[in-house]
Amino acid sequence: SQQGEEDPQALSIQEGENATMNCSYKTSINNLQWYRQNSGRGLVHLILIRSNEREKHSGRLRVTLDTSKKSSSLLITASRAADTASYFCATDKGSGSRLTFGEGTQLTVNP
Amino acid sequence: DGGITQSPKYLFRKEGQNVTLSCEQNLNHDAMYWYRQDPGQGLRLIYYSQIVNDFQKGDIAEGYSVSREKKESFPLTVTSAQKNPTAFYLCASTPDGGHLGYGYTFGSGTRLTVV
Repeated sequence: SQQGEEDPQALSIQEGENATMNCSYKTSINNLQWYRQNSGRGLVHLILIRSNEREKHSGRLRVTLDTSKKSSSLLITASRAADTASYFCATDKGSGSRLTFGEGTQLTVNP
Repeated sequence: DGGITQSPKYLFRKEGQNVTLSCEQNLNHDAMYWYRQDPGQGLRLIYYSQIVNDFQKGDIAEGYSVSREKKESFPLTVTSAQKNPTAFYLCASTPDGGHLGYGYTFGSGTRLTVV
């Protein structure tokens, strides 16, 4: 069962613009994670935000979490062509559970 | 360098054959996972193991089997009972099995095609 749903399914922007992707989920979580997947490759862990955190930064990435709305957003600032990939959110209910992934947002950054 | 190695990168299976996908990690992680990814879709959990000699079914375990005889290794067998095995298979690991909330480390995947 898919816990997270990303929006939009696809996003195309120009280099230098910001990209925002959203994730909604259904049940209470321990933490929410964002991953990137380049075409035909494995996933790479980007950032983890815990349920008691509201915002987190890592380089050009900014993640927010609103547990009252059961939603999260990933902002990539000053995007580059190398940011072109699929981005997935994944939720963790904690205590021995396993991650449940959404269906992803395909980001294309045009040079 | 520590990481997860999946092999082979590409695998072709004939109808009625069992095939085994390899996943090896040198990260000393306790928990390991197998996910299936179909084109344009997210990941679905097949099996996971939080400790040696123990594993649990995920959401789509039918037609698959696993073993966890060593901490480093978590092979996945796709049996002839799996009617639609063509997909991209991803192995992952994490240090704590979800108890402390670490991110997953993924291998580079095996693309399985039925011919």
